[in-house]
Amino acid sequence: GEEVAQTPKHLVRGEGQKAKLYCAPIKGHSYVFWYQQVLKNEFKFLISFQNENVFDETGMPKERFSAKCLPNSPCSLEIQATKLEDSAVYFCASSPDGGVEQFFGPGTRLTVL
Amino acid sequence: GIQVEQSPPDLILQEGANSTLRCNFSDSVNNLQWFHQNPWGQLINLFYIPSGTKQNGRLSATTVATERYSLLYISSSQTTDSGVYFCAVPSTSGTYKYIFGTGTRLKVLA
Repeated sequence: GEEVAQTPKHLVRGEGQKAKLYCAPIKGHSYVFWYQQVLKNEFKFLISFQNENVFDETGMPKERFSAKCLPNSPCSLEIQATKLEDSAVYFCASSPDGGVEQFFGPGTRLTVL
Repeated sequence: GIQVEQSPPDLILQEGANSTLRCNFSDSVNNLQWFHQNPWGQLINLFYIPSGTKQNGRLSATTVATERYSLLYISSSQTTDSGVYFCAVPSTSGTYKYIFGTGTRLKVLA
């Protein structure tokens, strides 16, 4: 598609439950990025992929967060055992190559109760 | 790592006024993007502007990479321009991840 698609738009989980977010990058784009926005103004990089390979995972909390980008499937970001502090908007972005314009999806708002 | 600061942090305008938002960054960059986050949380891509000047309707942007700043101009502001404006630059780690600025919160009054 011509836009980055993210599902679901909203996700509500009880503390300790699992959350799984999906991202379909723009067709032909080889890089995918995940960012977390907390407190409305603060963006944090989580992880990036070059095709199905992890490119940079320096922002990922190792214990509970995992992500995948498999061929012919949407990319996914999974949080095991969610905590209150995971409440945030999660944005996915894709780019046709490294170091060029990133195209952002509409985000998934995760609320952990 | 690279630091990205935006000014002013908050701005209130009357409809029809013009404004200039600034993005300063602490290291050399080879690309820069401006975004508008509307009150519903959507992040809208305004400009991809590594250098030079671009215009799109009432908005224009200029990046002077050698002096490490970018400016976003909004002319004849409308209430729909309200929201938060972010600039973002790639980190110096070489892995293309973006470092976002601190944001400018704009409110346009009717």
